[in-house]
Amino acid sequence: GAGVSQSPRYKVAKRGQDVALRCDPISGHVSLFWYQQALGQGPEFLTYFQNEAQLDKSGLPSDRFFAERPEGSVSTLKIQRTQQEDSAVYLCASSLDRVGWNTEAFFGQGTRLTVV
Amino acid sequence: AQKITQTQPGMFVQEKEAVTLDCTYDTSDQSYGLFWYKQPSSGEMIFLIYQGSYDEQNATEGRYSLNFQKARKSANLVISASQLGDSAMYFCAMIVQGAQKLVFGQGTRLTINP
Repeated sequence: GAGVSQSPRYKVAKRGQDVALRCDPISGHVSLFWYQQALGQGPEFLTYFQNEAQLDKSGLPSDRFFAERPEGSVSTLKIQRTQQEDSAVYLCASSLDRVGWNTEAFFGQGTRLTVV
Repeated sequence: AQKITQTQPGMFVQEKEAVTLDCTYDTSDQSYGLFWYKQPSSGEMIFLIYQGSYDEQNATEGRYSLNFQKARKSANLVISASQLGDSAMYFCAMIVQGAQKLVFGQGTRLTINP
């Protein structure tokens, strides 16, 4: 597709349920990022992949959060035993190469997760 | 650690007027990049403009320009001739050399009135 695609767009989970959020980056993009955006806040970094390698996972808030990109394309963010504080919009972004120095990241529309 | 501060939670502007959205940043790195993104109600972040710390001239992209004052650590976004479609959240973000994480500010909600 032309842009970054995320699915589902909306997800309601019962507390304690596991969820999986999918990201299809722009074809050929090497870098892939996950961000978490709480209501009324700016996005916060979760993790970064270069191809299939997860090079930075310093932003993952707990060991309940896990991300993978096994073939260097599609990525999945998994949250185990969801808690109410996990409610947020999860944004995926991709870039052709390393971000910065006039290489921007392209974002998807996000998945809005609500934990009830 | 890097930090971005956007002090204007909301701004209201008449259509066709120019508007300045404030952004200040804090970093001890000498090499960094600054971005502005627009987030409409649909949710996706749309890239607007980029400024590198070593760029001597202010960046411009159509109606968008970045007023970069390095000594003051500010990177304000200027939108000329505002349009109704400019109504959205605007985020300032920073990246430093060697890292691959964008650090975002809290955002400014811009409303353009007809």
